[in-house]
Amino acid sequence: GENVEQHPSTLSVQEGDSAVIKCTYSDSASNYFPWYKQELGKRPQLIIDIRSNVGEKKDQRIAVTLNKTAKHFSLHITETQPEDSAVYFCAASGTYKYIFGTGTRLKVLA
Amino acid sequence: DVKVTQSSRYLVKRTGEKVFLECVQDMDHENMFWYRQDPGLGLRLIYFSYDVKMKEKGDIPEGYSVSREKKERFSLILESASTNQTSMYLCASWTGNQPQHFGDGTRLSIL
Repeated sequence: GENVEQHPSTLSVQEGDSAVIKCTYSDSASNYFPWYKQELGKRPQLIIDIRSNVGEKKDQRIAVTLNKTAKHFSLHITETQPEDSAVYFCAASGTYKYIFGTGTRLKVLA
Repeated sequence: DVKVTQSSRYLVKRTGEKVFLECVQDMDHENMFWYRQDPGLGLRLIYFSYDVKMKEKGDIPEGYSVSREKKERFSLILESASTNQTSMYLCASWTGNQPQHFGDGTRLSIL
C-alpha cells in the first residue's frame, strides 16, 4: 500500500545550525504535503505546507521543497533555536488519502 | 479556525471496562480519524470515517470499534479495555486537500 518514509528518525543539531528532514511518498495521486510540529504532551500542529504545483515555499526560518518527479519533499529549518526541539511529521495527501511519515525527533543543543 | 474537541484530557479505567472516547469537530468536515500514539512512536491509525455511519479500519483496529452517528461526532470504543491499550489517543478531522486538524488528545490509562 501507499506509504511515506521519513528520515532521519532522530536529529541533533547545535543551536544556530540548519536542520533538514526528508520524506519520500509512493502515491502519485498525492498533491498536498503538510508538515507538523508536535511538542511534548501537545497535539501535532501544522507549521508549513506545500501543494504539488509549487516547488518551494518559505516562511521565515522554515522552508519546504518538493520534487514531484522523484516523489521527495523536505523540511528545512535555518538558524535553529532550542524551541525548535520537537517531533516533526510529514504527510502526503490526495483527495481521499492522508498518510503520515513516522516522525523525526529534533533536538537543538544550546 | 477549526476546533476539534476531545471530551477528556486524562482518563483512568480498569481492565475489562467498556471505554468511550468522544471527539467533536465544528467545521463540517467529512473525514474524521482516531490515532494512537505511544512514547517514541509516530501516529498509528486506528479507524477513520469519511461520512456519517461510514467507517474504515486503519492499521491497528483490533480491540477497538467506532461510531459516527452525526457528522460532527466520532467516537472510539474500547470494547473490553486491556493494559496494552494504555496510550495517548488523538482525534483529527479533515476535508480534502487541506491539513488535518487535531484535538488535544486523551491520555488513557488502563489499570
